[in-house]
Amino acid sequence: AQTVTQSQPEMSVQEAETVTLSCTYDTSESDYYLFWYKQPPSRQMILVIRQEAYKQQNATENRFSVNFQKAAKSFSLKISDSQLGDAAMYFCAYWGSARQLTFGSGTQLTVLP
Amino acid sequence: DVKVTQSSRYLVKRTGEKVFLECVQDMDHENMFWYRQDPGLGLRLIYFSYDVKMKEKGDIPEGYSVSREKKERFSLILESASTNQTSMYLCASSWQGGFGGYTFGSGTRLTVV
Repeated sequence: AQTVTQSQPEMSVQEAETVTLSCTYDTSESDYYLFWYKQPPSRQMILVIRQEAYKQQNATENRFSVNFQKAAKSFSLKISDSQLGDAAMYFCAYWGSARQLTFGSGTQLTVLP
Repeated sequence: DVKVTQSSRYLVKRTGEKVFLECVQDMDHENMFWYRQDPGLGLRLIYFSYDVKMKEKGDIPEGYSVSREKKERFSLILESASTNQTSMYLCASSWQGGFGGYTFGSGTRLTVV
């Protein structure tokens, strides 16, 4: 079974600065997808970014980008120019042959004004 | 605006009660999922369904059952609620080839006393 590990339960960043959230995963599959989801205080989970494992190029969505290291099974999220609205719980997730999302334990991000 | 709607935002039930958590999606998605969210554990899959009247056990199905009589509705049932089922419950849906791109509801925070 696949596992997803987020080793940082909490992180903080100063507004306008850059922060990187870490995620590692364990799998024997070669074809899969990785995700970062955001859960603000409203509790509504929002898809932030998706990476397809067969693509070497790192995914980018505006201020959000990933560093995907397939051999190292690492998938970190970088948030540039952090804004107060970025404060949320961030979950890393894996989707593979089981056709279900497996989530990490989450990282609570605080943005300091 | 596409939606996954969970019938209750907060729910308080007594030990031993039969509890129904309802989830409705308006996107004609084939796949529906129930997750449980606990601090430090992330989201764990309880049950999922890829079609009407179809259900599959996830990682933690004990103490739960589900019902999917219509495509848009997926119900989670706690047959005899216990205090260790106090948690946040999240419903999600995706289209058949969604590759992990789920749409989530806003969650039901259930307290069993």
